[in-house]
Amino acid sequence: QITLKESGPAVVAPTQTLTLTCSFSGFSLRTSGMAVGWIRQPPGKALEWLALIYWDDDKRYIPSLKNRLAITKDTSKNQVVLTLTNMDPVDTGTYYCARLSWSGLDTFFSPWGQGTLVTVAS
Amino acid sequence: DIQMTQSPSSLSASVGDRVTITCRASQNIDSYLNWYQQRPGTAPRLLIYAASTLHSGDPSRVSGTGSGTDFTLTISSLQPEDFATYYCQQSYNTPYTFGQGTKLEIK
Repeated sequence: QITLKESGPAVVAPTQTLTLTCSFSGFSLRTSGMAVGWIRQPPGKALEWLALIYWDDDKRYIPSLKNRLAITKDTSKNQVVLTLTNMDPVDTGTYYCARLSWSGLDTFFSPWGQGTLVTVAS
Repeated sequence: DIQMTQSPSSLSASVGDRVTITCRASQNIDSYLNWYQQRPGTAPRLLIYAASTLHSGDPSRVSGTGSGTDFTLTISSLQPEDFATYYCQQSYNTPYTFGQGTKLEIK
């Protein structure tokens, strides 16, 4: 059974850095074709893909936030960490991590973690 | 970036109805199109991948069609658990963009 779970602060002050950890089990990021991504959702709004890290350490970011985002992995701990600098109230929302199965047409996010709500406020 | 546009944004229907949601990509994405369902207060879950392949465990009343730029998600004979928000997402290239969502409500 594959599971993912996000952890991190519930409240972050403006201008501070958000650090979120995705802890997963049931698969390995040493396996070819595996990746973990982060997706966020402002309250009442749509999903927005943020970042992705592949088994070979290739990393991809949404261009609009590329200067503020960083994604890393610790394969020994089965964890992926996302950092987002210079937090602003518009960054408030639920942050999800999800496994990406990368195989040509069969490339999709499944399963997803339960999500963690992050509020940017002083 | 590839833009994904869903229609309608919201839809009211009754149990037993058949509904169709459309998703249009701003450029050709072949069949690199996935559909997710999100029930209130829960994480999204995969419904359909590669435009038409039903994810394991999902009911056969859900189907997806399309290729290129135009795609549809159809749910036949709506059940109470189908009332949720549906998102399309392209996996043709990064950034992996989502549509704005279609909220399916009970009439």
